[in-house]
Amino acid sequence: NAGVTQTPKFQVLKTGQSMTLQCAQDMNHEYMSWYRQDPGMGLRLIHYSVGAGITDQGEVPNGYNVSRSTTEDFPLRLLSAAPSQTSVYFCASSYGGELFFGEGSRLTVL
Amino acid sequence: GQQVMQIPQYQHVQEGEDFTTYCNSSTTLSNIQWYKQRPGGHPVFLIQLVKSGEVKKQKRLTFQFGEAKKNSSLHITATQTTDVGTYFCAGLITNMLTFGGGTRLMVKP
Repeated sequence: NAGVTQTPKFQVLKTGQSMTLQCAQDMNHEYMSWYRQDPGMGLRLIHYSVGAGITDQGEVPNGYNVSRSTTEDFPLRLLSAAPSQTSVYFCASSYGGELFFGEGSRLTVL
Repeated sequence: GQQVMQIPQYQHVQEGEDFTTYCNSSTTLSNIQWYKQRPGGHPVFLIQLVKSGEVKKQKRLTFQFGEAKKNSSLHITATQTTDVGTYFCAGLITNMLTFGGGTRLMVKP
C-alpha cells in the first residue's frame, strides 16, 4: 500500500497564480484533512472531510478550497496565491483514530 | 487563537537525561494524540489517550492525560540521540484535531 500520496513535493508560484495540491490515499479512510506547517506554529488545520461529498473548514481556511468527490482523493486548491501561503502542506487521512500523513508539499510563493 | 498550547518550544538535553513536554487546552478534549516528527520528515503517530487520568507507556516514553482532560504530558526517560525531533500533541475538539506548537528536542551525545 502506498498510504497517503501528495504531489507535487515542491512548487514555486508567483503571487496571484493558482494551483492544486493533490492528495490520494489507498486505505479507504473516510476522514481526510489538510494542514499547513510554519516554523513555531505547529500544524494548523485548513480543511477537513469526514467522507465523500462532505467538507468543512478548519482553523485557517481563507484562500483555500477543497472538494471530496471520491473517498480516495482530497485536492487542495489555492485560488490566488499570496506570499503568506508559503509553507509546508501536509495531507492526512484517518479511519477514526491516528492520522496517517503524506510526505508533505513545500510551497513557495514569490 | 490556538486552543492547544505546548511547552517548552525547545529543549536541549545531554544524552541520558530525562525530557518532558507539556500540553494544555483551553477546552475539554475528547482525546489526545501524540506525534513525533523527525527533521525533514512528516509527523508519525505515537499514541492516543482517551480516558481521564490515563497513563500509557511505550518503552522509555510515558504519556499522561489529565483528570480534567485538558492537559497531557510526554516524558522520555534517559534520552538517546534517536529521540531527536519535534513532539506534537493534538487534541480532538468537535471533529477537528488541533495540534500544539510542538517541542523540539535536541540531544547532545
